[in-house]
Amino acid sequence: NAGVTQTPKFQVLKTGQSMTLQCAQDMNHNSMYWYRQDPGMGLRLIYYSASEGTTDKGEVPNGYNVSRLNKREFSLRLESAAPSQTSVYFCAGQGSSYNEQFFGPGTRLTVL
Amino acid sequence: GENVEQHPSTLSVQEGDSAVIKCTYSDSASNYFPWYKQELGKRPQLIIDIRSNVGEKKDQRIAVTLNKTAKHFSLHITETQPEDSAVYFCAARDSNYQLIWGAGTKLIIKP
Repeated sequence: NAGVTQTPKFQVLKTGQSMTLQCAQDMNHNSMYWYRQDPGMGLRLIYYSASEGTTDKGEVPNGYNVSRLNKREFSLRLESAAPSQTSVYFCAGQGSSYNEQFFGPGTRLTVL
Repeated sequence: GENVEQHPSTLSVQEGDSAVIKCTYSDSASNYFPWYKQELGKRPQLIIDIRSNVGEKKDQRIAVTLNKTAKHFSLHITETQPEDSAVYFCAARDSNYQLIWGAGTKLIIKP
């Protein structure tokens, strides 16, 4: 039982490059989330998926796209990376609205 | 929409003393308030949560209190220990069932 996993752990991109952050969970969570965490700040929601086949924008969706491939996987794509997207990205899963959100280990992304 | 403010941003206490972190929220319809702990370089993890139908919840050295009228809730840690050093985040669930997060409090336990 791996919980919530993310790949890669670290990534350096040049401005304009694209990449996809992968997230998978084996906890049978209905809802999945992508957050970014900047130094000295809290977690800001980028996108979420309340159930398989649905996705919705969060607080800071600009510059990102997501795919809920199946119940287990939720990916985040940066089409044209910008330095402002340098951050730590966390994926999380949640069973129901009153349940705990379980976070992945995070991806530290630097855009030069 | 919901807005959550958290204070203080940094809190330094002597080992063995108590620590209190406070959060206020804006949406009176919010009904779920979790607290997460994030150790340096690690992922956030839930330590305690409270629903709006109770005023207080306790788990060993940790307690959370909720004042719905004033729209604020607080985390209390008693008999602090070095392993309590971390960043603590409060959150409130909004009407879309999403968590809105406070900015975090860095808790430093002095030996």
